[in-house]
Amino acid sequence: DVKVTQSSRYLVKRTGEKVFLECVQDMDHENMFWYRQDPGLGLRLIYFSYDVKMKEKGDIPEGYSVSREKKERFSLILESASTNQTSMYLCASRRIPGTQYFGPGTRLLVL
Amino acid sequence: GENVEQHPSTLSVQEGDSAVIKCTYSDSASNYFPWYKQELGKGPQLIIDIRSNVGEKKDQRIAVTLNKTAKHFSLHITETQPEDSAVYFCAASRGNTGNQFYFGTGTSLTVIP
Repeated sequence: DVKVTQSSRYLVKRTGEKVFLECVQDMDHENMFWYRQDPGLGLRLIYFSYDVKMKEKGDIPEGYSVSREKKERFSLILESASTNQTSMYLCASRRIPGTQYFGPGTRLLVL
Repeated sequence: GENVEQHPSTLSVQEGDSAVIKCTYSDSASNYFPWYKQELGKGPQLIIDIRSNVGEKKDQRIAVTLNKTAKHFSLHITETQPEDSAVYFCAASRGNTGNQFYFGTGTSLTVIP
């Protein structure tokens, strides 16, 4: 079974803090993704990576950056957290041409 | 880019009845269509998928149909049970050539015992 893990299930941060969300997959998948999920908006792609050290912007990259130094790990960074970044963050991985496998999500609250 | 629309946004059915969720897509190059189920507090999990070279796929009580000409695909759940209550998402992708998956906005299904 594919396993995608996320470092935290719940996170509370203050405005202006730098926030790191970590994602690890154990199936040697090439692609990894970060989404945010908000009510009524579905899943919106923030960034994805198709290989180590490679990244592409998704639909809503503003205010975020990513890092992929190792194939199994994909990090999402909020450089200076703001209240409008309060959301559920989902990581996913994929072996081409297969489907995406999701982690359990991190619910982030920015105060 | 691709645009995926999903309807309805909420659906309530009596236990034992069938549920149907519909999605349309805009990019004729999309050729892979997965469906995900998301239970409360969890990430989405794949429940069934279909590729554009087939029109229908079935797995026990779940089936997906695809109409490439009309660019729509549907999820059918028969003999619904309370544990089917969840949010369901459709998605479209170019499969081999595309990295991105485009998701619908989700359907909240409630099965009433």
